[in-house]
Amino acid sequence: ETGVTQSPTHLIKTRGQQVTLRCSSQSGHNTVSWYQQALGQGPQFIFQYYREEENGRGNFPPRFSGLQFPNYSSELNVNALELDDSALYLCASRVQGMGETQYFGPGTRLLVL
Amino acid sequence: AQRVTQPEKLLSVFKGAPVELKCNYSYSGSPELFWYVQYSRQRLQLLLRHISRESIKGFTADLNKGETSFHLKKPFAQEEDSAMYYCALIPQGGTASKLTFGTGTRLQVTL
Repeated sequence: ETGVTQSPTHLIKTRGQQVTLRCSSQSGHNTVSWYQQALGQGPQFIFQYYREEENGRGNFPPRFSGLQFPNYSSELNVNALELDDSALYLCASRVQGMGETQYFGPGTRLLVL
Repeated sequence: AQRVTQPEKLLSVFKGAPVELKCNYSYSGSPELFWYVQYSRQRLQLLLRHISRESIKGFTADLNKGETSFHLKKPFAQEEDSAMYYCALIPQGGTASKLTFGTGTRLQVTL
C-alpha cells in the first residue's frame, strides 16, 4: 500500500503568477482534502473533493481551485499569487464513509516572492 | 464558527515526568475531536480520536464537554514523544472532513 505523495516538494514563484500543486492519494482512497499551513500555524482547510466534485470549502477565495481525477489524484491551483500564499500545502486522503481518519502527504512548500 | 486553542507553543518536560498538552475548543454542537502528531522529518499523522477512546503510545485524551477541553495526557514522558502536537475538530454532521486545527504545541522531552 502506497501512502499519499505530493509534488513538487518545494516551489518558488513570484507575486501574480499561477501555481499547480499535485497530490496522489493513498491507494483505495476516494476523498481528498487540501490544507494550507502558514509558518507557526496549524493547517487550515481549503477544500475537499469527492467523486471529482468539490463538496466542502473553507474560508479561501475563488482563486484557490482544485481538481480531482478518476484515479483519485488531485491538483490545487492558485491564481494571482500573493505574498501571504507562502506556506506549506498539505493534501490528505481517506475513504468516504469509513470515518474521518485522514492520511496526510508530506506537503509542498511554496514561497512567493 | 468553530475554534481550537492550544495555549502553549512549547512544553518542555523531563523524561519520566507526566505530560499534559492542553486543548480547548469553541463550538456550539458536539464536535468530533482528534490529536495529530508530527515527529521530526515525518508527515502529520493521527494519534488518537475521542470516539475510539483508545490509548495510543501511552497517550489518552478525555473530552470534557463542560469545560470544552480535550487535553492530551501521558503519565511518563519518553524521549521519542518529542514532536509537534495538534488538536483538531470536525463539526458534528458535516458532509466534509473539514478539520479545524489549533496552532500546535511542541513537546520537548529532555533527559
